[in-house]
Amino acid sequence: GENVEQHPSTLSVQEGDSAVIKCTYSDSASNYFPWYKQELGKGPQLIIDIRSNVGEKKDQRIAVTLNKTAKHFSLHITETQPEDSAVYFCAAITGANNLFFGTGTRLTVIP
Amino acid sequence: DTGVSQDPRHKITKRGQNVTFRCDPISEHNRLYWYRQTLGQGPEFLTYFQNEAQLEKSRLLSDRFSAERPKGSFSTLEIQRTEQGDSAMYLCASSLGTSGRYSYNEQFFGPGTRLTVL
Repeated sequence: GENVEQHPSTLSVQEGDSAVIKCTYSDSASNYFPWYKQELGKGPQLIIDIRSNVGEKKDQRIAVTLNKTAKHFSLHITETQPEDSAVYFCAAITGANNLFFGTGTRLTVIP
Repeated sequence: DTGVSQDPRHKITKRGQNVTFRCDPISEHNRLYWYRQTLGQGPEFLTYFQNEAQLEKSRLLSDRFSAERPKGSFSTLEIQRTEQGDSAMYLCASSLGTSGRYSYNEQFFGPGTRLTVL
């Protein structure tokens, strides 16, 4: 099955700085890559996603890039705010439609 | 609230007891998924339904686990003879699935049911 690795496991940034989280996947058949934000005691919330036929997607302060050749995808958050503090998960889907998640990145934005 | 809902939010049980969780997906979503999340880890897939049909089960889903979606709407996940290793957050998600020639992969998660087995 698919194997998704995520780095770093923890990330601290000053408010206003950028944060980057990176993931790699193993199955070249994976074609959909969502990112989720999870706050304490809550379920994961979809924040952005990208399909395999697109290299980059942006939504306000959040962007995702995909390198299919290298099997890498990354989440970029600019102008970070304290409310961005949470655990972020990358994931990948193969044709089976079930998500394979990374191990998460705990982001702390320091005011 | 039109999101995915789960009930109960918390469940504490003694080892050996049976527990049942309920998930109500987003209306008109025909796919429903169950995941399990342990502390410090990402969610792990357990099973999914297309309407009322259970199409895939993970090897994580032992024979003590059973899931149903009898009318293609809400779903239940039952764990029989609970063990301490079953303690986790059980997450439900739903997606629109396939509509015409398009496939909609976006999965939306509920708040989860946190199970503690003593």
